Amino acid sequence: GENVEQHPSTLSVQEGDSAVIKCTYSDSASNYFPWYKQELGKRPQLIIDIRSNVGEKKDQRIAVTLNKTAKHFSLHITETQPEDSAVYFCAGENTGFQKLVFGTGTRLLVSP
Amino acid sequence: DVKVTQSSRYLVKRTGEKVFLECVQDMDHENMFWYRQDPGLGLRLIYFSYDVKMKEKGDIPEGYSVSREKKERFSLILESASTNQTSMYLCACTGGRNEQYFGPGTRLTVT
Repeated sequence: GENVEQHPSTLSVQEGDSAVIKCTYSDSASNYFPWYKQELGKRPQLIIDIRSNVGEKKDQRIAVTLNKTAKHFSLHITETQPEDSAVYFCAGENTGFQKLVFGTGTRLLVSP
Repeated sequence: DVKVTQSSRYLVKRTGEKVFLECVQDMDHENMFWYRQDPGLGLRLIYFSYDVKMKEKGDIPEGYSVSREKKERFSLILESASTNQTSMYLCACTGGRNEQYFGPGTRLTVT
């Protein structure tokens, strides 16, 4: 089955800096890779996703890149703001039923 | 907006008790999931269901069972609660698109 590894587990940046979170996956058949953001005390929410037929996707300050050959994908946040502080989870879709395998999460702290 | 609700935000149970966690969604979504969330371990899938009365084991099903008698409701059952089942439990659902919509979570403490 799919296995997703995520690094780093914690990331501290200054406001305005960029942040990068990296994930690797094991199943070459996986074709959908979402990123979820979980603010303190709240439920995880989808912020961006990418499918395996696309190499990069951007939404304002957030971008995701996918390298199918190397089986890794990354989340890039530019011009970070304190409200970006949260736990971020990457995931890969396992075979069928829209089942996701999540990474272990990255706690991002953006200091003013 | 998809609405996913869970029966309790906080629950305290004793070892050996039978525990029911309920999840209800209002979007007619076929697939529903139960996860547990522990620090440093991320979200781990316990069970999922792709239709009424259908269920599949996830990655950590031991000590849990589920029930889906109606499309909108998916229950997680701890047959005999143990202290190592103290955790945050999250329910989610998904329909035609891949996005999973999560409930607010139930923080279960087993003493």
